Amino acid sequence: DSGVTQTPKHLITATGQRVTLRCSPRSGDLSVYWYQQSLDQGLQFLIQYYNGEERAKGNILERFSAQQFPDLHSELNLSSLELGDSALYFCASSATVFTDTQYFGPGTRLTVL
Amino acid sequence: AQKVTQAQTEISVVEKEDVTLDCVYETRDTTYYLFWYKQPPSGELVFLIRRNSFDEQNEISGRYSWNFQKSTSSFNFTITASQVVDSAVYFCALRDTGANSKLTFGKGITLSVRP
Repeated sequence: DSGVTQTPKHLITATGQRVTLRCSPRSGDLSVYWYQQSLDQGLQFLIQYYNGEERAKGNILERFSAQQFPDLHSELNLSSLELGDSALYFCASSATVFTDTQYFGPGTRLTVL
Repeated sequence: AQKVTQAQTEISVVEKEDVTLDCVYETRDTTYYLFWYKQPPSGELVFLIRRNSFDEQNEISGRYSWNFQKSTSSFNFTITASQVVDSAVYFCALRDTGANSKLTFGKGITLSVRP
């Protein structure tokens, strides 16, 4: 158990809908990362937050957004969902930004029908 | 741009065999970090090992060992006396120390250990 929690574990929704994925980092970790794992793209970095502020962006679509709250949990919002958004979404956390190992949560499997 | 190549896609071994997973990376940074993660059939990503670019000492931890060679930009991972529970997808990842501390992953190697 990495100490990173993600909810829900599975999510099934329809095209055009909006969903919110939630992540709680390990106790004491200030940095949160979101990654998407799909069959065609592999594991791709989406976005990073550090202590409530956006730190870096990767291959994140404009339909996707995220935030980190004062209690350090993070939410990834996916809107206008398309079939191609079906993937496993991972949250990871690390103590700081620069040198620490990222520990991953169990992931949320999103299926868009 | 950073890149991680895992040329092997699938490896199948019989229990108790040793197996080496290859990883080659590209980066322009002089300081960087390399990782191996394991993804068992249950789907979670489990951290295994980390190596800093300025520390080329190779180590052994239980049944795991790794061989980091900066000269060839390789970071290979060996499982000794493999077990069925080692069956998983193994990812090599690279991270620099810049402002963007994202992980760049390889495509993964599917390891099947047969009894």
